[in-house]
Amino acid sequence: SQKIEQNSEALNIQEGKTATLTCNYTNYSPAYLQWYRQDPGRGPVFLLLIRENEKEKRKERLKVTFDTTLKQSLFHITASQPADSATYLCALDINQAGTALIFGKGTTLSVSS
Amino acid sequence: KAGVTQTPRYLIKTRGQQVTLSCSPISGHRSVSWYQQTPGQGLQFLFEYFSETQRNKGNFPGRFSGRQFSNSRSEMNVSTLELGDSALYLCASSLMGQGAVEQYFGPGTRLTVT
Repeated sequence: SQKIEQNSEALNIQEGKTATLTCNYTNYSPAYLQWYRQDPGRGPVFLLLIRENEKEKRKERLKVTFDTTLKQSLFHITASQPADSATYLCALDINQAGTALIFGKGTTLSVSS
Repeated sequence: KAGVTQTPRYLIKTRGQQVTLSCSPISGHRSVSWYQQTPGQGLQFLFEYFSETQRNKGNFPGRFSGRQFSNSRSEMNVSTLELGDSALYLCASSLMGQGAVEQYFGPGTRLTVT
């Protein structure tokens, strides 16, 4: 069955640095991969979607890469701020439409000032 | 535009009982997906409904069921509750179009089974 892993449960960095989160998957070739942010007590919030034929996607301070050969996605937050502290979830879809997602367990990012 | 709403927000039930959770998607969204989130297993896909039909189903026992109404609102039901069903149940809606779309999550219903 499909498996998705985020290599770190927690990541602590200083304000202004770049945070890099890793997502690896096996037993599947997704057409899309998504990243979400979740704050305590709230539902996940969509950040970025990247397609299998896209190598990289950017949105403001966020950048996602997608390597279908390595079966890996990297998520970067540049010039990190304390407000970026949250849990970040990687998800791949199992129905090619993005409405049936398998999520990694998340990486909790803490940015200290 | 109002976001995804879920009711109730908190619920306490006893083992063996059944429970029904409700989800109202964003206006115009016709796809509703349900997820279970626990500290141990993380977010797990339950099922997805589109135009009142279940299109996809995750790996959960038959005690978990759902339905969608003509106005796209959705309910999920869990029968014969077990302690392990204690979790945050999240629903998400999507505006279906060409290719994959992002999901908009509600705040969740926190279910505690005692």
